Amino acid sequence: AQSVTQLDSQVPVFEEAPVELRCNYSSSVSVYLFWYVQYPNQGLQLLLKYLSGSTLVKGINGFEAEFNKSQTSFHLRKPSVHISDTAEYFCAVSDTNSGYALNFGKGTSLLVTP
Amino acid sequence: EAQVTQNPRYLITVTGKKLTVTCSQNMNHEYMSWYRQDPGLGLRQIYYSMNVEVTDKGDVPEGYKVSRKEKRNFPLILESPSPNQTSLYFCASSTTRLHSPLHFGNGTRLTVT
Repeated sequence: AQSVTQLDSQVPVFEEAPVELRCNYSSSVSVYLFWYVQYPNQGLQLLLKYLSGSTLVKGINGFEAEFNKSQTSFHLRKPSVHISDTAEYFCAVSDTNSGYALNFGKGTSLLVTP
Repeated sequence: EAQVTQNPRYLITVTGKKLTVTCSQNMNHEYMSWYRQDPGLGLRQIYYSMNVEVTDKGDVPEGYKVSRKEKRNFPLILESPSPNQTSLYFCASSTTRLHSPLHFGNGTRLTVT
């Protein structure tokens, strides 16, 4: 089975500063990796996903993530955050045989302040 | 517009009173799933369905039932709700093609007193 650990439950950051949200995974098989975002009072929506190929994945809203197989990590980054990026961010993993069946991390709450 | 619709958005009920949370998707997705979201615990899967009449338990199925009689609908049933089922519930759907994204509803906040 696969599992995900999000290393920070809350990340406060000032507007226009860079941010990194950390995610480590555990799996004995090949995996797909995802980041989802949940804005207040909404469901989750896909930010980006890693399937194979280039380890640097670009997503919506200027976010990107880097897959590091040796460190089993998939950290999410943004060079300059906006107030509107305030949300809950979830890292998720699935095995490559059932890419739709996800195991989610516990979430990281990103709070962007002026 | 492609969407997953959950109803109701908010529900307050009392212990033991049966309730149903409905979920409907208009994307002809085969896969549907229910999650509960609790502070500090993230999303935990309750039940999922691979297609009509095919359902299976997720990580936290106790106290819940589901049915999949039609492809578009996947209701969540709490036959005798208890306070520990107070939570935020999400329905999601997807195709069964590899690495298809999950589409989520906007959630149902349930309070059981």
